[in-house]
Amino acid sequence: DAGVTQSPTHLIKTRGQQVTLRCSPKSGHDTVSWYQQALGQGPQFIFQYYEEEERQRGNFPDRFSGHQFPNYSSELNVNALLLGDSALYLCASSDRGQNTYYEQYFGPGTRLTVT
Amino acid sequence: QKEVEQNSGPLSVPEGAIASLNCTYSDRGSQSFFWYRQYSGKSPELIMSIYSNGDKEDGRFTAQLNKASQYVSLLIRDSQPSDSATYLCAVKSGYSTLTFGKGTMLLVSP
Repeated sequence: DAGVTQSPTHLIKTRGQQVTLRCSPKSGHDTVSWYQQALGQGPQFIFQYYEEEERQRGNFPDRFSGHQFPNYSSELNVNALLLGDSALYLCASSDRGQNTYYEQYFGPGTRLTVT
Repeated sequence: QKEVEQNSGPLSVPEGAIASLNCTYSDRGSQSFFWYRQYSGKSPELIMSIYSNGDKEDGRFTAQLNKASQYVSLLIRDSQPSDSATYLCAVKSGYSTLTFGKGTMLLVSP
């Protein structure tokens, strides 16, 4: 049973550039949530996708956008990168249909460094 | 602003002892509570979930929930050096998003 996968593992970008991160959910899961984790902090919710639509959004600017595809995989796009966007970006998947309490399982993350 | 508070630690315990990790939350409407373990440089791993008041045991782990006091705890019995990690408390808020605490670092010495 394949778990949550994310790509790439590491990424180095320059301020002002744009980046796209990818996530494939655990088999059987239909909901993808994205989190940002700065060093020494807990993960912070960015947004969640279900049925190819953004269902909830955290306190992040419009520079952060996403997409979900028919196969439930998802992308996170960040435009006009700032130094403060350097963090571990985590994708979590869950099964909205079967899991009333929405246990979320994380992928390995993408470490983004903005220079 | 929904908040989840944890003592940042580090919490140091000798091998074989019981480690007790605590968490408080501000949203009285919260219904689901989770403990994640995160090793340095890795992603969080779900180790316990609890939804009802009382205790829930899974192997060496026991999660305790007291909704009246807005308090969740995690007990790790017979702590091992491999348990050394940061433990994140998470609370389901809104429809299905998680609000995390900053985590408590646990150090288990041989």
